[in-house]
Amino acid sequence: GIQVEQSPPDLILQEGANSTLRCNFSDSVNNLQWFHQNPWGQLINLFYIPSGTKQNGRLSATTVATERYSLLYISSSQTTDSGVYFCAANSGGYQKVTFGTGTKLQVIP
Amino acid sequence: EAGVTQFPSHSVIEKGQTVTLRCDPISGHDNLYWYRRVMGKEIKFLLHFVKESKQDESGMPNNRFLAERTGGTYSTLKVQPAELEDSGVYFCASSGTVLETQYFGPGTRLLVL
Repeated sequence: GIQVEQSPPDLILQEGANSTLRCNFSDSVNNLQWFHQNPWGQLINLFYIPSGTKQNGRLSATTVATERYSLLYISSSQTTDSGVYFCAANSGGYQKVTFGTGTKLQVIP
Repeated sequence: EAGVTQFPSHSVIEKGQTVTLRCDPISGHDNLYWYRRVMGKEIKFLLHFVKESKQDESGMPNNRFLAERTGGTYSTLKVQPAELEDSGVYFCASSGTVLETQYFGPGTRLLVL
């Protein structure tokens, strides 16, 4: 199956700073999603982005399918952005989604 | 349109007890998936239903876990008997077809003491 790697594993930001999270995948993808797992454990879908660029408020994502990576941009970070960000993908005939190991983000006031 | 819902939102049980988690997929979605994140590790696939049939259960950790989807609507995941290492967050997802994006529920946080 597809391999999904994320970097960095941990990130500490001062409130108001910007950041870029990266997701590399080993194969062409049918679906690629970014999620935010908040401190209460809930998984929030951020973007469905197998290719191209999307923006939603302070967040945006870009997937370059030909080079097998995706980036999640967080601008003007807030303490509520803290949590773990997961990239997840599936490819070919595999229906199950493979998650990356996540980036743990802590935004400090 | 209602999203994927899961019940309960959290559960605290003692080792050796039984717990049943429930997932209600988006109406009309034939495909239902269970995933879990344990011990702060990555989120891993457990199994996939197509309607009431188990399409892929390769991720089920052992025979203490039993998933059902009677009638092809909601699904339950029973853990019996629960062990300490089962603690984590259990997620359910659904999709209309296998090529469509999977919509995830908020998860059930399970703590086994």
